[in-house]
Amino acid sequence: EADIYQTPRYLVIGTGKKITLECSQTMGHDKMYWYQQDPGMELHLIHYSYGVNSTEKGDLSSESTVSRIRTEHFPLTLESARPSHTSQYLCASSGLTGTNTEAFFGQGTRLTVV
Amino acid sequence: AQSVAQPEDQVNVAEGNPLTVKCTYSVSGNPYLFWYVQYPNRGLQFLLKYITGDNLVKGSYGFEAEFNKSQTSFHLKKPSALVSDSALYFCAVRVTLHAGNMLTFGGGTRLMVKP
Repeated sequence: EADIYQTPRYLVIGTGKKITLECSQTMGHDKMYWYQQDPGMELHLIHYSYGVNSTEKGDLSSESTVSRIRTEHFPLTLESARPSHTSQYLCASSGLTGTNTEAFFGQGTRLTVV
Repeated sequence: AQSVAQPEDQVNVAEGNPLTVKCTYSVSGNPYLFWYVQYPNRGLQFLLKYITGDNLVKGSYGFEAEFNKSQTSFHLKKPSALVSDSALYFCAVRVTLHAGNMLTFGGGTRLMVKP
């Protein structure tokens, strides 16, 4: 099992609420990612980071924001949740240097906004 | 654009039969290719990767994948499928962006193994 953790695993929340999805890894990886997964299963990259104080937007536009104040921590925040934000959110980290290129994933957070 | 494609949304196979899940890629330079599996309500688990060397790569749970440069493919295979192999499978390729390397994923293939 990889040492990357997401909390909560499941969250049901009302429209307009502010939420933060937590992601932590203990592997010392510089690179971390957030993916949003459709009910139809396709993965979409929404945010990534190459190290502390580095954040970039991914391929899919998202109203969420991220921060990377510490290497091990990469939280994702929605200031005002809407039903369209209902999805599975997957966090990942990797070294992506040399041959140590695979990414390791957390268990995911399934978010439902009602 | 650098990408991978999984042409089949779903693959059905009987238990004990060989299985193949297809993946094709489009990258510049030498590709770094990966397969991941996702079980229900779980994150993705790494299965295997191709970086360089032998075209046949062996991975976890008896899976293997064959890198074919001329066909730009990296199909996942297993000689004898198990019901417990039923899951979502994702092919991925390392791409190079301005800030560094990252993985991009195919659309996924659902594998259904029937008893």
